Amino acid sequence: DIQMTQSPSSVSASVGDRVTITCRASQSISSWLAWYQQKPGKAPKLLIYTASSLQSGVPSRFGGSGSGTDFTLTISSLLPEDFATYYCQQAHTFPFTFGPGTKVDI
Amino acid sequence: QVQLQESGPGLVKPSQTLSLTCAVSGGSITSGDYYWSWIRQPPGKGLEWIGYIYYSGSTYYNPSLKSRVTISVDTSKNQFSLKLSSVTAADTAVYYCARVDGFRYYFDYWGQGTLVTVSS
Repeated sequence: DIQMTQSPSSVSASVGDRVTITCRASQSISSWLAWYQQKPGKAPKLLIYTASSLQSGVPSRFGGSGSGTDFTLTISSLLPEDFATYYCQQAHTFPFTFGPGTKVDI
Repeated sequence: QVQLQESGPGLVKPSQTLSLTCAVSGGSITSGDYYWSWIRQPPGKGLEWIGYIYYSGSTYYNPSLKSRVTISVDTSKNQFSLKLSSVTAADTAVYYCARVDGFRYYFDYWGQGTLVTVSS
């Protein structure tokens, strides 16, 4: 299986901050990476697919980049509703695997 | 707007079979552009992909669960189902159903999730 790691595991931030989360794959996955946001008690929500494509309806303050093994999710200016846990997911090889998550809190 | 809704028992005894159904509304499960998937999340932990099914009935399962998992589809009811046999406490989790883009393999619509506890 392709192992996904994320760093940091948690980050404390304030409204208006720029936040960057890193996701690394154990082998090259080209651009087959998605990012999800999950709030407590809710299902994950798709933010980004194919590493940098913004899902319809997702605010433009969310951005994704990277290819191969290293990827980043950037929130350009944090809003109160962005405090959540963020997961990456590789879509290159079965079985699909997720990163362990990065919690963004105050 | 596609909506997915999981249903099934919230408590299952050890060694028994967990059974869940996902009802799809707002779109047809026979759309050839999508797969239909199950994902689970143990309390306080990360996400694990269980497997998916195409409307034709073809499936792919996570090898870690393959010996115990069956996913089936009922196109007449626009729903798909999960069976997980020989459950233990380690199978306690929130179970989500989700739609999978058939070309880029991301999960774009999710059900709200249902907690299944394995306990005697």
